[in-house]
Amino acid sequence: QKEVEQNSGPLSVPEGAIASLNCTYSDRGSQSFFWYRQYSGKSPELIMSIYSNGDKEDGRFTAQLNKASQYVSLLIRDSQPSDSATYLCAVNALPGGSYIPTFGRGTSLIVHP
Amino acid sequence: DVKVTQSSRYLVKRTGEKVFLECVQDMDHENMFWYRQDPGLGLRLIYFSYDVKMKEKGDIPEGYSVSREKKERFSLILESASTNQTSMYLCASSLADREQFFGPGTRLTVL
Repeated sequence: QKEVEQNSGPLSVPEGAIASLNCTYSDRGSQSFFWYRQYSGKSPELIMSIYSNGDKEDGRFTAQLNKASQYVSLLIRDSQPSDSATYLCAVNALPGGSYIPTFGRGTSLIVHP
Repeated sequence: DVKVTQSSRYLVKRTGEKVFLECVQDMDHENMFWYRQDPGLGLRLIYFSYDVKMKEKGDIPEGYSVSREKKERFSLILESASTNQTSMYLCASSLADREQFFGPGTRLTVL
């Protein structure tokens, strides 16, 4: 059973701070990793994808992948109240596995002014 | 701009009715998915399709069926709706193992 674990939160940070969201996964064959943001009542939208070890930066967002330790994290710099949402981690096992990603249950982030 | 559309945003049905939820994507993706999302339970996969007329059961297929007659369209069918099928239904599509694109969701209420 492939598992993706996230702390459900809520994670509360002040505006302007760095928010750090973490995700661990059980399948060592995992090859592709995704962070989605989901506002209340809306559908998930992709924030970041990462496929190799290390850091990947896109604006205020940085994804970090460590395959040896089987974790992936998302850092949000200069957090804004508009970043308040649930963040979903998803993991795919290809190649050699399934096209079906395994999702964590999400971490709720609250950015307070 | 890539897009996944779903036939309804809100739907109210009665117990025992047959319900059709439709999803259309314009990205020529081979993979399409149906999920339901309930508070505290996260996203749960109902069915997955990797090609026209091909389908695989997900984690919770009971009470549901699907149809994919054309590449761009993936339909979810509730054969006989029950109150425990009240939920948010999300359709998604993807290319190979790349990111998923989600539709806006259908909030279904079964009375």
